[in-house]
Amino acid sequence: AQSVTQLDSHVSVSEGTPVLLRCNYSSSYSPSLFWYVQHPNKGLQLLLKYTSAATLVKGINGFEAEFKKSETSFHLTKPSAHMSDAAEYFCVVSDPPAAGNKLTFGGGTRVLVKP
Amino acid sequence: DVKVTQSSRYLVKRTGEKVFLECVQDMDHENMFWYRQDPGLGLRLIYFSYDVKMKEKGDIPEGYSVSREKKERFSLILESASTNQTSMYLCASSLYRGGQPQHFGDGTRLSIL
Repeated sequence: AQSVTQLDSHVSVSEGTPVLLRCNYSSSYSPSLFWYVQHPNKGLQLLLKYTSAATLVKGINGFEAEFKKSETSFHLTKPSAHMSDAAEYFCVVSDPPAAGNKLTFGGGTRVLVKP
Repeated sequence: DVKVTQSSRYLVKRTGEKVFLECVQDMDHENMFWYRQDPGLGLRLIYFSYDVKMKEKGDIPEGYSVSREKKERFSLILESASTNQTSMYLCASSLYRGGQPQHFGDGTRLSIL
């Protein structure tokens, strides 16, 4: 069984300061991990993915995430927050194809960016 | 870029109606998925399909059915709509290969009155 825990349900940052969103996972497989962002009344947009290549993964809009197997973590960071980063973020682990490619979602972290 | 298109952004229906939600993807993906998203409950998988005419139950299939007659199209059917099916519905697609992300549509906000 797989599970994902996002350690903060809400994060508030000032524009121009760093953002850190924390995620821990549990997986029976060698995990495929993703971060998605959801803006209000929109679908989920893929920010980045980890699939057992480099442990530091760069994504869109200046985000990156580091896979740490020893800590079972996949934290998302951005050096400088922008107002447009205000959204909800989901850490996700994927089953392999033999198990249906299904996703297990974290509970989400809502990011507020203050001017 | 992958495009997943859901036929309606907003939909209002009445209790007892049969409701069809349509989803089309343009990237020849094998897998397609239907989720509903509710505050405090997150995203929950209703049904998924990994090939034409194939379907598998997700975590909350009761009250729903699906149809996949063509590879690019995956329909969600509410057989007899009820108020507790008021929700945001999200469709997604992905390649069958391991490690592939799902690509999501913009969602349909469905209200059952």
